[in-house]
Amino acid sequence: DAGVIQSPRHEVTEMGQEVTLRCKPISGHNSLFWYRQTMMRGLELLIYFNNNVPIDDSGMPEDRFSAKMPNASFSTLKIQPSEPRDSAVYFCASSLDEAEAFFGQGTRLTVV
Amino acid sequence: DQQVKQNSPSLSVQEGRISILNCDYTNSMFDYFLWYKKYPAEGPTFLISISSIKDKNEDGRFTVFLNKSAKHLSLHIVPSQPGDSAVYFCAASALSNTDKLIFGTGTRLQVFP
Repeated sequence: DAGVIQSPRHEVTEMGQEVTLRCKPISGHNSLFWYRQTMMRGLELLIYFNNNVPIDDSGMPEDRFSAKMPNASFSTLKIQPSEPRDSAVYFCASSLDEAEAFFGQGTRLTVV
Repeated sequence: DQQVKQNSPSLSVQEGRISILNCDYTNSMFDYFLWYKKYPAEGPTFLISISSIKDKNEDGRFTVFLNKSAKHLSLHIVPSQPGDSAVYFCAASALSNTDKLIFGTGTRLQVFP
């Protein structure tokens, strides 16, 4: 398996634009997580899905952030409108019925 | 409110010596703990874990110690190697909710020759 696949690897966008980050979890995994990494807060859990259903979105910072998982092999994290303070590395991870999660390589988002 | 804390943002150790990375947690519901290693431009990778029924787990050069009364865990790497240079994240979860990992802010380890 190729592991968790995230796209794009890098994204530079202007403030106010919509940004969509994509994730393909490991085949067969039933949980998917979106994390944001910043210098100040480390890895923050934004939202996680179990069997395609959002379980906990308490980490989503604002209504500007939304996530979907239309099927077991795909998820998106959308920011609309984006702001400079959203600049960070966003990680997607997946797992199967256990606490150990496997991470993608991340998307580095820069909002100017 | 940071439930998992890594108070040392960086650590520098000479090759061959022991590296000790520390982690504290505040939520007494946490009963499963993990360490992840992260290289630049890569996602974190799982390193070692421990459940609250144990106080020590060893895997090769890596040992994790858990002190439940102090809500403290540590990762020991011995002997340290230059390839161990990375950011190490401590993470915790409650077995009643094993899907949700809470991470610390990370400690950057540099092992110099």
